[in-house]
Amino acid sequence: NAGVTQTPKFQVLKTGQSMTLQCAQDMNHEYMSWYRQDPGMGLRLIHYSVGAGITDQGEVPNGYNVSRSTTEDFPLRLLSAAPSQTSVYFCASRGGAGQPQHFGDGTRLSIL
Amino acid sequence: GQQVMQIPQYQHVQEGEDFTTYCNSSTTLSNIQWYKQRPGGHPVFLIQLVKSGEVKKQKRLTFQFGEAKKNSSLHITATQTTDVGTYFCAHLSGGSYIPTFGRGTSLIVHP
Repeated sequence: NAGVTQTPKFQVLKTGQSMTLQCAQDMNHEYMSWYRQDPGMGLRLIHYSVGAGITDQGEVPNGYNVSRSTTEDFPLRLLSAAPSQTSVYFCASRGGAGQPQHFGDGTRLSIL
Repeated sequence: GQQVMQIPQYQHVQEGEDFTTYCNSSTTLSNIQWYKQRPGGHPVFLIQLVKSGEVKKQKRLTFQFGEAKKNSSLHITATQTTDVGTYFCAHLSGGSYIPTFGRGTSLIVHP
């Protein structure tokens, strides 16, 4: 049971670089989301998807893009990395009503 | 979306003491979920409450949903070092399937 798989686990970028954080789930969940976690700020929603081909913005979407071409995959793209994007990023998926949110192990990202 | 306030932000206890964290909203919530995140780990779902006045127990953990569905609490009896972590409440806004999280309460247990 892989659940939600995130890669990479750690990444260091220079300001202005771009990269993609990968997220895949094998539970056939329709709902997927990306959160960032900063000290004292809890989990803030970046983008989410309610099914393949459907995405929407969360609380803090600026500087990030997402796409959902398949049910399994939900990559998060940083277009031009900034130091303010240094954070821990969690991908999560959820099944239907009443189902819990399943999180990946996270990606620890540092922007220099 | 609706915001939930969690208090306290941090709580230090001696092993064996009880611990309570509170989740408060200014508006009625349709449901509340609780998650635990161990240091260096990811949030793990604990429980969901949906009914007014609902109380659920998991071993030493007791979860309550207020009668007005505007607040919830998580109480741990006789804390152990394995209880260390951050406890988050989360709720689903009407029509949304993506939970909104509170800022969490970090529990530190001293042996």
